[in-house]
Amino acid sequence: GDSVTQTEGLVTLTEGLPVMLNCTYQTAYSTFLFWYVQHLNEAPKLLLKSSTDNKRTEHQGFHATLHKSSSSFHLQKSSAQLSDSALYYCALSHGGSGNKLIFGTGTLLSVKP
Amino acid sequence: EAGVTQSPRYAVLQEGQAVSFWCDPISGHDTLYWYQQPRDQGPQLLVYFRDEAVIDNSQLPSDRFSAVRPKGTNSTLKIQSAKQGDTATYLCASSPLTGDTGQLYFGEGSKLTVL
Repeated sequence: GDSVTQTEGLVTLTEGLPVMLNCTYQTAYSTFLFWYVQHLNEAPKLLLKSSTDNKRTEHQGFHATLHKSSSSFHLQKSSAQLSDSALYYCALSHGGSGNKLIFGTGTLLSVKP
Repeated sequence: EAGVTQSPRYAVLQEGQAVSFWCDPISGHDTLYWYQQPRDQGPQLLVYFRDEAVIDNSQLPSDRFSAVRPKGTNSTLKIQSAKQGDTATYLCASSPLTGDTGQLYFGEGSKLTVL
C-alpha cells in the first residue's frame, strides 16, 4: 500500500542555519507530493506541492524537488527563522478531485535564537 | 472566502460518553474528509464523502464512530461510548470538484480528551 516516511520526529536548529526535512514515499501510482505546515493550535496549511519529476518548487522561502528515482521529496530552506517553528507533514495523493491524502508522521521543527 | 469551520473546538468526556463534531466545508467543495490526529502523530483518514455519498469509510471504527453528510454540505462525526484511545484532534477538510492536485483545505480541528 501507499506510505510516506519522515525519519526525523524532532529537528532543533539555531536561527539562520539551513533546514532539511526528509520525506520518502512508496506508491505504485502517479503521485502528487505535498508539504503541509501546522503551527500550534492551527489547521494544517499547504506549503508546497509537486507532481513533476526533478523540478524544484518554491514557496515562502522553502523549496523541494520531487525525485521519482529515489521516491523522495525533501523540504529545504537556506536560513531558518524563529517563525518556522511548527509541525511539518509530508503527504501524497493520487490526484484527481476527491482523492485522499496519506500523511507521514510529521517532523517538529524547533528553531532557537 | 470562508474556510472550513469546525465545532466545538474542544471537548472533554468521561469514558462511555458520546460526542458529536460538526463541520462546514468551503462553499462549493464537493468532497469532505474526516481525519483523526492523535497527539504526536500524523493525520489518519477516517472517512470521506463526495457530496452525500460515502467514498471510503474503511478506517472508521464502525461500532462506535459514525459520520453523515445528508445534504452534501455540512457533516457530523459522532463518537458513541468514547474510550481513552479516542483522545485526538479530529480534523475536517474539503476539496473542490475541479483541479487535479488532491490539495485539501483543513479546519482548525476539534480537540477531544477522554478521561
